[in-house]
Amino acid sequence: AQSVTQLDSQVPVFEEAPVELRCNYSSSVSVYLFWYVQYPNQGLQLLLKYLSGSTLVKGINGFEAEFNKSQTSFHLRKPSVHISDTAEYFCAVTRVDYGQNFVFGPGTRLSVLP
Amino acid sequence: SQTIHQWPATLVQPVGSPLSLECTVEGTSNPNLYWYRQAAGRGLQLLFYSVGIGQISSEVPQNLSASRPQDRQFILSSKKLLLSDSGFYLCAWTSGQGGYGYTFGSGTRLTVV
Repeated sequence: AQSVTQLDSQVPVFEEAPVELRCNYSSSVSVYLFWYVQYPNQGLQLLLKYLSGSTLVKGINGFEAEFNKSQTSFHLRKPSVHISDTAEYFCAVTRVDYGQNFVFGPGTRLSVLP
Repeated sequence: SQTIHQWPATLVQPVGSPLSLECTVEGTSNPNLYWYRQAAGRGLQLLFYSVGIGQISSEVPQNLSASRPQDRQFILSSKKLLLSDSGFYLCAWTSGQGGYGYTFGSGTRLTVV
């Protein structure tokens, strides 16, 4: 079975500062990796995903993530955050060979301070 | 293009009343469909998923049930709501190929009073 850990439940950061949201996963088989963002009272929106190829993937809103197979990590980064980035961020994995049910991490609440 | 509709957006129901939340997907066929719940300040809890008409898998024993009467329709129901059923309910779909990812609906905020 797969599992996802997001060690930081809350991350406060000042506007225009860089941010990294950490995601580690556990799986005995190959997985696809995803980051989703949820703004208050809204559904989740796909930020980016890693399927194969380059380990650095770029997504919407200036976010990027790097897949590290040896460390089983998929950390999300942004070089300069805005107030509008305040939201909940979820990391998720699904098996490459059976991609029906995703496993989500517990989420990280990013608060961007003025 | 594919779209997912979920309604209502908000709902306030008394304890003991029935519940019906509906989710429909457009622009695709035979989607995998999911119901998730978020309690206040908590992560996503998978409630039900369906890989086809009439096929429902339950992840958590509870006061809720789900049905899939049509290929692109997924309904979450309860005969008698409990206070603990309050939360934010999300419907999602995927093509069944893992690389596609989930697409989520806009959610329903349910408050049981």
